[in-house]
Amino acid sequence: SAVISQKPSRDICQRGTSLTIQCQVDSQVTMMFWYRQQPGQSLTLIATANQGSEATYESGFVIDKFPISRPNLTFSTLTVSNMSPEDSSIYLCSGGRTNTEAFFGQGTRLTVV
Amino acid sequence: RKEVEQDPGPFNVPEGATVAFNCTYSNSASQSFFWYRQDCRKEPKLLMSVYSSGNEDGRFTAQLNRASQYISLLIRDSKLSDSATYLCVVEGGYQKVTFGTGTKLQVIP
Repeated sequence: SAVISQKPSRDICQRGTSLTIQCQVDSQVTMMFWYRQQPGQSLTLIATANQGSEATYESGFVIDKFPISRPNLTFSTLTVSNMSPEDSSIYLCSGGRTNTEAFFGQGTRLTVV
Repeated sequence: RKEVEQDPGPFNVPEGATVAFNCTYSNSASQSFFWYRQDCRKEPKLLMSVYSSGNEDGRFTAQLNRASQYISLLIRDSKLSDSATYLCVVEGGYQKVTFGTGTKLQVIP
């Protein structure tokens, strides 16, 4: 198993600003992923964070809005850019051998005002 | 039709009861299936994988029916600590994963 530390745990941001969320894993993991979970909804995969190369985005998500970095096998960041109230959600990172047998960070509860 | 559908509940059951959740999926090519548990305001945690032959882990039993495209989770002798939302997860190959919206369980003293 792996322990994933995610921060910040919550934030309230002004519209038009950007927030960077960090995830640190206590061991090297093959895969890291970023999800969004809106209230009462299922988790939606935003992108797969690839070590040393550009992330792979799912349909409906673009790099300009959600730039992702993964400089090594234990760390990744997700930036929510030019935020609007519609971006208010919980953002979760996960890591593991696959994205189903993966461990999640504690989540970042974002509110955009 | 949603890719993965679950009854959102809530299921309110007394301690000691047996409760079962079903989850249906639309992609017949789906490869792997899992149940996750998510406590209120917490991250999801893997509960168990679901194998074709069915599998059991203590009070929890998971089963897969490929012909009818559903998976189930059975919890026996419910404990208060079982109260959570249970997420059905389906992997359709190529690392494409779909989470269900979850079924909320509330175990009552």
